[in-house]
Amino acid sequence: DGGITQSPKYLFRKEGQNVTLSCEQNLNHDAMYWYRQDPGQGLRLIYYSQIVNDFQKGDIAEGYSVSREKKESFPLTVTSAQKNPTAFYLCASSLSEDSPLHFGNGTRLTVT
Amino acid sequence: KNQVEQSPQSLIILEGKNCTLQCNYTVSPFSNLRWYKQDTGRGPVSLTIMTFSENTKSNGRYTATLDADTKQSSLHITASQLSDSASYICVVRGSNYQLIWGAGTKLIIKP
Repeated sequence: DGGITQSPKYLFRKEGQNVTLSCEQNLNHDAMYWYRQDPGQGLRLIYYSQIVNDFQKGDIAEGYSVSREKKESFPLTVTSAQKNPTAFYLCASSLSEDSPLHFGNGTRLTVT
Repeated sequence: KNQVEQSPQSLIILEGKNCTLQCNYTVSPFSNLRWYKQDTGRGPVSLTIMTFSENTKSNGRYTATLDADTKQSSLHITASQLSDSASYICVVRGSNYQLIWGAGTKLIIKP
């Protein structure tokens, strides 16, 4: 079955540590996205990539980094510079910029 | 400022009843509007897309409407089922493929 796999589902880290969230897709989509979801707010775009080896900052990129070395993979690193990293992180992909987004089932990150 | 506002924030109805969720937007220029369903702890799934020229579109028990003049959309759910319990998110695509997301309506269906 085609889809997006995010791992792990739950992640706990201490303040000051970097952490990497995994996102893999087998939909053969060119575009991939990382969103952050907080209670009572709409999804906020962190980074997106339209093609391998290229990515752009979204609305809240500070404290995050990404890479796109393979079409299938778009890992997100939450660095210690992110002031409030505890959140639900969603990875998505789309066939084109005007197509619906296909989401993974998210990673809930808790930093204490 | 481009914004998408959804109401109500949350809604509780009995199984079998109908309900309507609202989405008002101030996004300009407008390209299209999508409704997503998000089960708790899962990623959103697209339900339907509305373009400028469409007034109504159905997907099973879900019917979306769009009034581009008043910049309002609604999602009507008929004969609700327990599996309809979820958050429903409205998202508007503006210029340069920018997506503006609403905060969602949390719907709870009680048996």
